[in-house]
Amino acid sequence: EVQLVQSGAEVKKSGESLKISCKGSGYEFTSYWIGWVRQKPGKGLEWIGLIYTGDSDTKYSPAFQGQVTISADKSIDIAYLQWGSLTASDTATYYCVRPLSRWGNFPAYWGRGSLVIVSS
Amino acid sequence: SYVLTQSPSVSVAPGQTVKITCTGNNFGKKAVNWYLQKPGQAPVLVVYDDSVRPSGIAERFSGSNSADTATLSISSVEAVDEADYFCQVWDAENEHPLFGGGTKLTVL
Repeated sequence: EVQLVQSGAEVKKSGESLKISCKGSGYEFTSYWIGWVRQKPGKGLEWIGLIYTGDSDTKYSPAFQGQVTISADKSIDIAYLQWGSLTASDTATYYCVRPLSRWGNFPAYWGRGSLVIVSS
Repeated sequence: SYVLTQSPSVSVAPGQTVKITCTGNNFGKKAVNWYLQKPGQAPVLVVYDDSVRPSGIAERFSGSNSADTATLSISSVEAVDEADYFCQVWDAENEHPLFGGGTKLTVL
């Protein structure tokens, strides 16, 4: 069974750094990209970017380029999303996702989400 | 940039059929995917490639796609279908998935 297990909720202050994680299991981790999606409270879904876990190549949505960093450690099947300096506008739930097939271009499997709360 | 437009809300009585639409330019050339999201939960894929249901998704869910409008139909609506529904396509210009704003389905 494909599973994406995300790290727990975080409460941080503006200016602090943060790294959240997403562990893939039940499949060959390096055969599928992992993407990240943001959802602000009461709002819609926004694509952040993805990492090709085989070679760690990353692609970011223009809106998030330079704002976050996506990485992965294929030795332990974990992908990461990190911020160098959080702001209140980063308050949201962040989902990691995986496509249905190796060549898929849409999210099919979703983690349960990591809630990030940033106080100013 | 490419934009997907969904009605903010729709309501339906139990047992009826509801159609949730998503519009965009040249839709007929894009594969459309649909997700439902219940409060406090992660989205769930219910239709992909316009009309394919993933395993485990009820036959009551079906999808279609024409030149400018993609439609998710839910027949014999039940209270458990109350959720937000999002459409999604691949944004070829920016090379990433693009989501519609979502439609809140209320079961009366």
